[in-house]
Amino acid sequence: GAVVSQHPSRVICKSGTSVKIECRSLDFQATTMFWYRQFPKKSLMLMATSNEGSKATYEQGVEKDKFLINHASLTLSTLTVTSAHPEDSSFYICSARKAPGLAPYEQYFGPGTRLTVT
Amino acid sequence: RKEVEQDPGPFNVPEGATVAFNCTYSNSASQSFFWYRQDCRKEPKLLMSVYSSGNEDGRFTAQLNRASQYISLLIRDSKLSDSATYLCVVTHLSGGYNKLIFGAGTRLAVHP
Repeated sequence: GAVVSQHPSRVICKSGTSVKIECRSLDFQATTMFWYRQFPKKSLMLMATSNEGSKATYEQGVEKDKFLINHASLTLSTLTVTSAHPEDSSFYICSARKAPGLAPYEQYFGPGTRLTVT
Repeated sequence: RKEVEQDPGPFNVPEGATVAFNCTYSNSASQSFFWYRQDCRKEPKLLMSVYSSGNEDGRFTAQLNRASQYISLLIRDSKLSDSATYLCVVTHLSGGYNKLIFGAGTRLAVHP
């Protein structure tokens, strides 16, 4: 199989603090990882695409200084929400693409992290 | 205009019913098409790919009409376990990647 884990599964933090979310591919190497955000009853929106060892590519409207992405190895990518505000409260989902998979169905999703900023 | 549009529902149907979901997409350069299923507070999971020739997987039938940029999903003999949100997904090349573009989903509630 292809398993992707995320940690933590849920986190509550105070406004102004930073939160780090980890995404790991457990049984395969992932050259590319994707970070999505989903607000209630809305579609998943791609935030950024990260490749191991290089800078992430952010989608239009996503602040790269606020959402720091580090793809340090072929099995780990992290998303840090800096100076979190209540409007950052959302469901954050990562996905990982098997190397050298090019087909969309070879993208495996993590279980998501529910962030609540109070 | 959203790139992928779906009727949000909810569709409330009894067990055994047949239910159809529709989806339209705006980017004619979209290359691949899928239906995903998402349970409440969970990640999306691939249900099936969608082809112009139509494809069937058990009780599920998907169809693509490229000319009208329309995708459908038919579920026959609905089960309680089919209750979920069904996401219409298209892909297109952007920045060297085949990106998944998600619709907001159609919620299905199957009742006894």
